[in-house]
Amino acid sequence: KAGVTQTPRYLIKTRGQQVTLSCSPISGHRSVSWYQQTPGQGLQFLFEYFSETQRNKGNFPGRFSGRQFSNSRSEMNVSTLELGDSALYLCASSSGQGTSPLHFGNGTRLTVT
Amino acid sequence: AQRVTQPEKLLSVFKGAPVELKCNYSYSGSPELFWYVQYSRQRLQLLLRHISRESIKGFTADLNKGETSFHLKKPFAQEEDSAMYYCALTPGTSGTYKYIFGTGTRLKVLA
Repeated sequence: KAGVTQTPRYLIKTRGQQVTLSCSPISGHRSVSWYQQTPGQGLQFLFEYFSETQRNKGNFPGRFSGRQFSNSRSEMNVSTLELGDSALYLCASSSGQGTSPLHFGNGTRLTVT
Repeated sequence: AQRVTQPEKLLSVFKGAPVELKCNYSYSGSPELFWYVQYSRQRLQLLLRHISRESIKGFTADLNKGETSFHLKKPFAQEEDSAMYYCALTPGTSGTYKYIFGTGTRLKVLA
């Protein structure tokens, strides 16, 4: 089974721009969640999608949004980028049933200059 | 507030010595606890979960609800155990689909 795939691996953007990150889950997984990883804060939950519906959202500003498509692929968008948005963005998929464990991608490293 | 605390950023031990990575949590309810591990140049992956009550790669973790702790232990550390370890919880009730992670502990096993 192919693992969780995130594209692109690296991104460099300028303040004020917007960015879209993509995540393809493991085949058969219907849940995709997104996390922001920074050295000081660790992993912080952004949001989770299941069957195209957002089921839960973390404490991030509205500039962070996401969506999920009918094939379970997910995208995350960040608008009006700020320097503090520089981080590794991790996507994780799971069956979405109960407390099923997460399967992570390699992440997209976003640098905002 | 829901929180997972890993008090040590870095833990260095010698090969063959016992290891204990600490994890304390704050949650009003019955959460499910996990340990995730990230080896060098690999993706974050599940190590073990408390409901499985199993030993993975020699590691065990016991959920202590009284002390709200879920410490990870191994009696004899190996060099290949060097990695970043994250403790995480998710609410045990359905309808809340998020994980709360600690800030991680880097384990270095010295030869």
